[in-house]
Amino acid sequence: GAGVSQSPSNKVTEKGKDVELRCDPISGHTALYWYRQSLGQGLEFLIYFQGNSAPDKSGLPSDRFSAERTGGSVSTLTIQRTQQEDSAVYLCASSLLGVAHEKLFFGSGTQLSVL
Amino acid sequence: AQTVTQSQPEMSVQEAETVTLSCTYDTSENNYYLFWYKQPPSRQMILVIRQEAYKQQNATENRFSVNFQKAAKSFSLKISDSQLGDTAMYFCAFISPNTGNQFYFGTGTSLTVIP
Repeated sequence: GAGVSQSPSNKVTEKGKDVELRCDPISGHTALYWYRQSLGQGLEFLIYFQGNSAPDKSGLPSDRFSAERTGGSVSTLTIQRTQQEDSAVYLCASSLLGVAHEKLFFGSGTQLSVL
Repeated sequence: AQTVTQSQPEMSVQEAETVTLSCTYDTSENNYYLFWYKQPPSRQMILVIRQEAYKQQNATENRFSVNFQKAAKSFSLKISDSQLGDTAMYFCAFISPNTGNQFYFGTGTSLTVIP
């Protein structure tokens, strides 16, 4: 597609359920990032994928969070046993090479609400 | 650790006037990049302007310019001739090739342009 696509746009779930968030980056972009945006806070880094390298998972807040990127393209962020504090906007971004000076292309995010 | 601080949670400006958004950062790195991203209500963040730390000249992009003070670790964004479409959240971001793959974001400034 022309831009980074995220689905669903909004997700409401019950505490304790698992959720999957999807990100479809721009075709050909080798780097993919997941960030979490909580109300009144900045963007919190979650995970970074670069080509076939091992992902940088240093930002994942707990072992309930995991992510994968299949075939170097689509990525799925999974949150198991969701908690109310997981409520946030989850943003995905991609860049062509993943080098520092490149701009990020963002999706419109998934608004996750845990009841 | 790298930190980015935006001390103005909310700002407003009259249409056609000029406004300056503040950003300070803390790092021991000498090689880094700074960015301003805009997040409209659609949630999709877009790059406004970027600055390489090794360049003394301030970056400009049409109505947007920065005042980069490396010694003071300050990176403010000036918007001239403000337009209604400038209403958005603005995030300052930092990345260094020497400190991993993540961008560090501030908590954002909500800018409202008043007609």
